[in-house]
Formats: sequence, structure tokens, C-alpha cells
Amino acid sequence: GIQVEQSPPDLILQEGANSTLRCNFSDSVNNLQWFHQNPWGQLINLFYIPSGTKQNGRLSATTVATERYSLLYISSSQTTDSGVYFCAVGSLRNTDKLIFGTGTRLQVFP
Amino acid sequence: EAQVTQNPRYLITVTGKKLTVTCSQNMNHEYMSWYRQDPGLGLRQIYYSMNVEVTDKGDVPEGYKVSRKEKRNFPLILESPSPNQTSLYFCASSFSQDRAKAFFGQGTRLTVV
Repeated sequence: GIQVEQSPPDLILQEGANSTLRCNFSDSVNNLQWFHQNPWGQLINLFYIPSGTKQNGRLSATTVATERYSLLYISSSQTTDSGVYFCAVGSLRNTDKLIFGTGTRLQVFP
Repeated sequence: EAQVTQNPRYLITVTGKKLTVTCSQNMNHEYMSWYRQDPGLGLRQIYYSMNVEVTDKGDVPEGYKVSRKEKRNFPLILESPSPNQTSLYFCASSFSQDRAKAFFGQGTRLTVV
């Protein structure tokens, strides 16, 4: 099945810094989504982005489907950005399943 | 308010004692699924349902059952829980045409001793 790899596994930042999280996937996808899991465990949709670029405030994402990767950019990070960021993909071969990467754990310190 | 509601949020149980985790959504979504989250493994799909009375196995279905008698509800049943089912469980729902825009419940932390 499709493999989803995220990097880095851990990231520690000081407030105000910028960061880039990467998601590589091993096969063609019909959807890709970024999630944020806050320290209380809640999963929040950030982006649905099977291709192209989207922005939402300090966050933006770019997916290059032909090269099988996606990037999540966080600018001017805040302590509330802390948590785990997951990339999840839906394969063209099996559209009924959303496959998650193992996540990037982000800690932002004041 | 659009939401997916799971109950209970926390549960400690003993090996072999049957339990059910409920999941309910109020968005008229056709597609619902269950995931478990374990350290270092991300989220893995247990079962999913395309619509009422249509269910199928995900990546890790062993030891679990589900049912979809009504569109809004998708309970997860552990007939004989074992310690390796200790995990954080999430229910999710979405419209079938746009499954990527999934809504997740708050999670159920299950401990089997």
C-alpha cells in the first residue's frame, strides 16, 4: 500500500520562528490533508490540498503531486501551534481509505 | 453546531469485558470510520462505512466489530478486549463525494488491564 513519510519527526522552535514540515508519499493520490493534533488530543483539519498551494493566516501548504510531496509552512510560530502535525493521503487505487503519516511533533517555546 | 461526538472520552476496563464506544454525527455524512492512534504509528484505520448497512475492514480490524444501522451512528464494539487494544480511538465522518474533509470526534482513551 501507499507509504506516507513525514519529516522532521520532532521540531523545537522559539516563538516567532518559521518552519517547514514535509510529507512524502509513495504513490499517486486523489486527496491530501494536513491535520493539527493539539496537546489535548483533538484533531483539527488544516488543509485539503491534493495539489497546488493554499494559505490560511500564518499557515500555508503546497502539494506537488507529480513529485509526490507536500509542504506545510508555519510562519511567526506561536505557543498555540504546539502539537503534532499529521499528513494523510487518499490513494487513487483505494479512495476509501485515508492513510496517515506518523506525524511531526512541534514544540514552540516563548 | 456540526460535530462528531464520541462516548466515553476515557475508559478503563478489564480483559475480556465487552464494551462499546459510541460515535454520532449530526451532519448527515454518508462516510464514517474508526481509527486508533498509537505512539510512533500515527492513525490507523480500523473499519469504515460507506453508508447505512455498508461496512468494511480497514488496516487493523482484528478484535473489533462495527455496525451502521442508522446514518448518524457508527459504534465500535470490542467483544473481548485485550491489553494490546489499549489506545486512543477516533471516529471520523465526511460526505462521500469529499471524503478528505473529515470531521473527527474528540477521541476515546481506552485502557485495558
